[in-house]
Amino acid sequence: GQQLNQSPQSMFIQEGEDVSMNCTSSSIFNTWLWYKQDPGEGPVLLIALYKAGELTSNGRLTAQFGITRKDSFLNISASIPSDVGIYFCAGSHGSSNTGKLIFGQGTTLQVKP
Amino acid sequence: DTAVSQTPKYLVTQMGNDKSIKCEQNLGHDTMYWYKQDSKKFLKIMFSYNNKELIINETVPNRFSPKSPDKAHLNLHINSLELGDSAVYFCASSQGRGNEQFFGPGTRLTVL
Repeated sequence: GQQLNQSPQSMFIQEGEDVSMNCTSSSIFNTWLWYKQDPGEGPVLLIALYKAGELTSNGRLTAQFGITRKDSFLNISASIPSDVGIYFCAGSHGSSNTGKLIFGQGTTLQVKP
Repeated sequence: DTAVSQTPKYLVTQMGNDKSIKCEQNLGHDTMYWYKQDSKKFLKIMFSYNNKELIINETVPNRFSPKSPDKAHLNLHINSLELGDSAVYFCASSQGRGNEQFFGPGTRLTVL
């Protein structure tokens, strides 16, 4: 089946540093989504991308939809301790399909104060 | 104010039992989903309903049966529970297919 390769698997950084993570796919997606999951909670949507090349920001977070439609990245600037969690990318083929989301394996972020 | 809610939050049961997990969304969405998250945190779609019609069934054992009494509810019933069913189950909803999905808080199922 389809797979998304998300990297890195984990990151341990100092507070204030910038973070970058990415996802690549073997096939094209129409939608890329980025989620964050805190321990014991459900994934929370951070950013949604709908067009190839689109660059979208949400506070200190910036995500881009790759022009090949097979990749996406998420940047977090000036990290703070509450950024700790697992970040997931997810791809969808859009409304022409069933709406099924394919998830990456997740990037676990730890921030040292 | 909870957008997508699930009950129970935790479920501990013996092998062979039958159990249900309930999900409700108050976002007015027409599509609801069930996902399973394994011990390695991998999230995988199980089912999706659009306007009470099943549109995704991802090769899930037929011991798992979703039921959607109306657009705001999607329940998951599991028969003859097995050890491998232990996982966190998430309900999600969206307006239309292929759009942003909003997740519930999850139900941690432990089968002993």
